[in-house]
Amino acid sequence: AQRVTQPEKLLSVFKGAPVELKCNYSYSGSPELFWYVQYSRQRLQLLLRHISRESIKGFTADLNKGETSFHLKKPFAQEEDSAMYYCARKGSQGNLIFGKGTKLSVKP
Amino acid sequence: EAGVAQSPRYKIIEKRQSVAFWCNPISGHATLYWYQQILGQGPKLLIQFQNNGVVDDSQLPKDRFSAERLKGVDSTLKIQPAKLEDSAVYLCASSSFGGANTGELFFGEGSRLTVL
Repeated sequence: AQRVTQPEKLLSVFKGAPVELKCNYSYSGSPELFWYVQYSRQRLQLLLRHISRESIKGFTADLNKGETSFHLKKPFAQEEDSAMYYCARKGSQGNLIFGKGTKLSVKP
Repeated sequence: EAGVAQSPRYKIIEKRQSVAFWCNPISGHATLYWYQQILGQGPKLLIQFQNNGVVDDSQLPKDRFSAERLKGVDSTLKIQPAKLEDSAVYLCASSSFGGANTGELFFGEGSRLTVL
């Protein structure tokens, strides 16, 4: 089964500190992976996708096939980054399979 | 553009009662998804429509859950009879045909169900 694992339920850092949200996936060929974010009182929305190799709001994520990981990183966390972050992989029918999510709390 | 609309936002029912949720996707989006999100977990796909046809309903508990998208636009998800474990947020999402390929789903605000 295609699985996505986010080992941390909660990650708390201080403003300006680096942040890394972990995501591992079960091996299955060439996965397509994404990070979605849900800010307080807002809808779940796409943050970034690995095929774009883009940086959004200072966040980047690199697909590491050897470690089957897709960790989300930001060198300097901001208070407005506080949110729920979900790692997801694309399923066989184009749907998304989500991890359980990690709550990021950035303290002032 | 208007986002994905869902109603009701909140619903409280007793077990064995029935409930229905409605979703109106973004105009022109061919693919519609219903996800169930139980507290502390990530969203889990219940059913996926492409226009008015079902693409995947493998995780839909068909003995109590049903969903339809008759005209290929808005959709209804029904639970009858509800169980305590159905307490969750029901998320509707839509994507354009290209969006389904790129993984960009647009989510509604969700309908929070509490079963007592």
